[in-house]
Amino acid sequence: AQSVTQLDSHVSVSEGTPVLLRCNYSSSYSPSLFWYVQHPNKGLQLLLKYTSAATLVKGINGFEAEFKKSETSFHLTKPSAHMSDAAEYFCVVSDLDQAGTALIFGKGTTLSVSS
Amino acid sequence: DTGVSQNPRHKITKRGQNVTFRCDPISEHNRLYWYRQTLGQGPEFLTYFQNEAQLEKSRLLSDRFSAERPKGSFSTLEIQRTEQGDSAMYLCASSLGTSGGDSYNEQFFGPGTRLTVL
Repeated sequence: AQSVTQLDSHVSVSEGTPVLLRCNYSSSYSPSLFWYVQHPNKGLQLLLKYTSAATLVKGINGFEAEFKKSETSFHLTKPSAHMSDAAEYFCVVSDLDQAGTALIFGKGTTLSVSS
Repeated sequence: DTGVSQNPRHKITKRGQNVTFRCDPISEHNRLYWYRQTLGQGPEFLTYFQNEAQLEKSRLLSDRFSAERPKGSFSTLEIQRTEQGDSAMYLCASSLGTSGGDSYNEQFFGPGTRLTVL
């Protein structure tokens, strides 16, 4: 079965400093992996996705993630945090038991950005 | 706004009552999904439709939960005899779908319906 583990429940950074949100995955097959962001009172939004093409994936708002098979990791990074980045971030893997249609979410990481 | 919409946004009910939530997907999307998100957790997949066909429902939490998508457009999720443990955010998502084989298409999520069972 597929699963993801987000290693930090809460990350705090200062505006202008780098962001690192960590995610490890478990999958019997080559997985499809995603990062979603959830702002308060707004719907989940896809940040980026990995589907077995380039291992370094660029997303919206300056975020990127690197797929590392040897480490079973898919960490999310951003060089410089903005106040507007404060939100809940979810690492997600597609559920191969459901032909990849269902998504399996991690528990989330709350990103706080201080000025 | 042509995104996924959900109604109502909030629902407060008493234990034992039935509730129904509605989801209107993006118009050209033929796949529709329901998820549940409890406090401090990520969303949990419940069921999905390809057009009007419900292709997976084994992940519905109990037989008190049911979903329909009668004309392949909007969908409803009903919870009968609600319990306090049903209190959660219920999320709907839609995507384009392909027939035969897996091809990932981005799921677009609605804002959710927050259910509180007293």
